[in-house]
Amino acid sequence: SQTIHQWPATLVQPVGSPLSLECTVEGTSNPNLYWYRQAAGRGLQLLFYSVGIGQISSEVPQNLSASRPQDRQFILSSKKLLLSDSGFYLCAWSVPGGTDTQYFGPGTRLTVL
Amino acid sequence: DAKTTQPTSMDCAEGRAANLPCNHSTISGNEYVYWYRQIHSQGPQYIIHGLKNNETNEMASLIITEDRKSSTLILPHATLRDTAVYYCIVRRQLTFGSGTQLTVLP
Repeated sequence: SQTIHQWPATLVQPVGSPLSLECTVEGTSNPNLYWYRQAAGRGLQLLFYSVGIGQISSEVPQNLSASRPQDRQFILSSKKLLLSDSGFYLCAWSVPGGTDTQYFGPGTRLTVL
Repeated sequence: DAKTTQPTSMDCAEGRAANLPCNHSTISGNEYVYWYRQIHSQGPQYIIHGLKNNETNEMASLIITEDRKSSTLILPHATLRDTAVYYCIVRRQLTFGSGTQLTVLP
């Protein structure tokens, strides 16, 4: 069966520090991968999605970036965090060419102080 | 990018059916309707999806109107563990809205 992992579960970082969040998927090949952010009390905003290694599409301009160095690994990064980067970051995957049903990871709660 | 609108909140008595509406009046002919739910501080969980026909699985039923401009998610016998935010989205929608906060009352 397929599983999706995210780490860390929680993170507290100072403003201006770098960020690296990792997401890995097991049990499937060449998944579509997604990064979402959820601000407190709000819905989910799609940040990036990827259909393959090295292929990243950005949906929202920001100081975040994403990379997909391996088929089932998706990384969200920042060189310098802003206060507004605080939120709940969720990674998801879907079957390429399927119905776009997305399966979400447990999320990382980031607090920037 | 089709958008959906949902009520902000709903209450339901435990053991009764919960009917959650969603409007998607600008949906395209080939776009599926998806429902997810998010229990506090967890990742969203897929519930069900459909295109034209009504669908049922072990979690819920999805009723889509003939013109496809709206749908209703039905939880036939709501339990306290069904308390969550329920999101209705359409394919290629890039942002989940605020969803409906369903509270199941004992």
